[in-house]
This record gives sequence, C-alpha cells and structure tokens, in this order.
Amino acid sequence: EIVLTQSPGTLSLSPGERATLSCRASQSVSSSYLAWYQQKPGQAPRLLIYGASSRATGIPDRFSGSGSGTDFTLTITRLEPEDFAVFYCQQYGGSPPVTFGGGTKVEI
Amino acid sequence: EVQLLESGGGLVQPGGSLRLSCAASRFTFNTYAMSWVRQAPGKGLEWVSTINNSGGSTNYADSVKGRFTVSRDNSKNTLYLQMNSLRAEDTAVYYCAKCPYSSSSVWFDAWGQGTLVTVSS
Repeated sequence: EIVLTQSPGTLSLSPGERATLSCRASQSVSSSYLAWYQQKPGQAPRLLIYGASSRATGIPDRFSGSGSGTDFTLTITRLEPEDFAVFYCQQYGGSPPVTFGGGTKVEI
Repeated sequence: EVQLLESGGGLVQPGGSLRLSCAASRFTFNTYAMSWVRQAPGKGLEWVSTINNSGGSTNYADSVKGRFTVSRDNSKNTLYLQMNSLRAEDTAVYYCAKCPYSSSSVWFDAWGQGTLVTVSS
C-alpha cells in the first residue's frame, strides 16, 4: 500500500498569505495520478488539482500543484477567506489502487 | 453540471445490511467509472470501491471485501452499494464519486453530498 503523509497537520495563516502544503508518498507515485481536494465543513470534497499540476475546471489560478516521485506540494499563493478548509492528497496505483493522505487543515 | 445524489443511509444494527443508491444526472453515466468513498466522523477519506463503466469490473478496499458489493444500472443512471455484515467501524458518510475515465479511479472529478450510515445497537 502506498501511504501518503501530509504535513503540517494544521496551518494557521491569515488572508493574503501564502500556503504551502506537503504530501509525501511511501513509494514513488506517477505524477499523472496525484490529485488534491479541498473539503469545507459539512461539504463533500472538491477536486482542485489532478495529474499533480493541472487545475480542475473552475479552480482559481491561486491554487497550484507541483512535485514528482515521492514529494508533492499544493500552493495557495494568496489565501482568500473561502480557502480555509481541509486539503487532502490522493494517489492512484498499486494495491489498494487509491489512497488518501490524512489531510492538512488550513485555518485562520 | 454533474449531479450525484446519494440515498439509503441510516441507522443499522451490527451484522445488518443496507443498500445505498446514487442517482446520477447531467452527464453520460455509462461512459465513466464510478466509486464509493467514505469518511468516518471527524476522520479522513477512505476509498471503498470502484466499478467500471460497463459494470464488468469491480475493485474493493480490503476493509470491505467480501461484505460490500458495488453495482450499477446504466439504464437508470444509478450506482449502488450493497453493504452486508455491517460493523461499527463502517460508520461513516458515504460519498459516490465520478471518475474521469471508463475503467480506473485515477481521481474523482465530481462528488455527491454524501449519505450517513451509522452502525450501532
């Protein structure tokens, strides 16, 4: 099983600041199969980034993804009030085919 | 915009059964693989199962293998999850999620609002 470890667990920032979230895999992940999601309280997750760096439809360009191999990063360049949420990374491959990281909470 | 609407959740005793449904609309349902992902209260996301577009291929997490069965009715644009021998640790919000391709759950580009399953005596 490919284990995804997200850090930090909680990120305390202010609107306008830059957020850098890390996702580290226990073994190499194809960049094509690394995704990021945002989840707000009481809501379903929303796809932000797929293929490690491609923004999903309707996602603002302040969200960007990068990385390869075992280290991936989600960056939010200027936090807006609506960006505060929990973020999850997810990979596809191996057995089981899908695993999620434990999440990073971005709070004010 | 893709719409996914889950139903069928509720309170069930340990050892009991429940069938979840997910009604899909506003996209060509029979073209895409579909998945179930769950989230225990206050916890992270856990993939449960995936079915390919035709229903001929399925995949399960080890935690539910042999107890849960995923299926789909493309004529009704509906995804199902039959859950048997339920345990307390199956308590979670269950989301149905659309995959971007016909046969693999590389990521999930649309999600339903979720249905809560509570397993308790």
